[in-house]
Amino acid sequence: AQSVTQLGSHVSVSEGALVLLRCNYSSSVPPYLFWYVQYPNQGLQLLLKYTSAATLVKGINGFEAEFKKSETSFHLTKPSAHMSDAAEYFCAVAYSGGYQKVTFGTGTKLQVIP
Amino acid sequence: DVKVTQSSRYLVKRTGEKVFLECVQDMDHENMFWYRQDPGLGLRLIYFSYDVKMKEKGDIPEGYSVSREKKERFSLILESASTNQTSMYLCASSWGDATNEKLFFGSGTQLSVL
Repeated sequence: AQSVTQLGSHVSVSEGALVLLRCNYSSSVPPYLFWYVQYPNQGLQLLLKYTSAATLVKGINGFEAEFKKSETSFHLTKPSAHMSDAAEYFCAVAYSGGYQKVTFGTGTKLQVIP
Repeated sequence: DVKVTQSSRYLVKRTGEKVFLECVQDMDHENMFWYRQDPGLGLRLIYFSYDVKMKEKGDIPEGYSVSREKKERFSLILESASTNQTSMYLCASSWGDATNEKLFFGSGTQLSVL
């Protein structure tokens, strides 16, 4: 069975500070990993995805995530937070052959303090 | 850009009512999905459809059914609404298998069952 754990349901950072959102996955086979973002009153949109091509994945809006197999982690980072980054972030895992089954984490709400 | 449109942003229903949630996508996607989103639980897959009139159960199908008569439209049906079905419902679509393709989400329907 596949699962993801997001550490911290709420994270606060100051504007301009590093953003680090943690995600650990569990999968018995090589995973596909995703980060989605949900802005207030909107649906989710894809930030980035890992599909084994490269361990460091760059996404939209300056976000990136690094796949670390030894740590079963896929943490999301951004060097400098902007007010517009305030949103809820979801990590998700799937695997080849899983046929449409994407498992989402419980989400982390990011607050950016001016 | 792909647009996934959910017909209602907010819906209030009484227990025992039959409820229809409608979703339309405009990019000829093969696959469509219904998720429910609850605080602290993330997103959970209710049903998905990979073609017209074809459907498969997700992780929490109990109390729900779906209909896909046309490729662009996917309906979620609550046969007899109950208070534990109060939730945010998100529709999504994808071109290929969601395990390695981007999911496009609608902005959600917040359903309250009284």
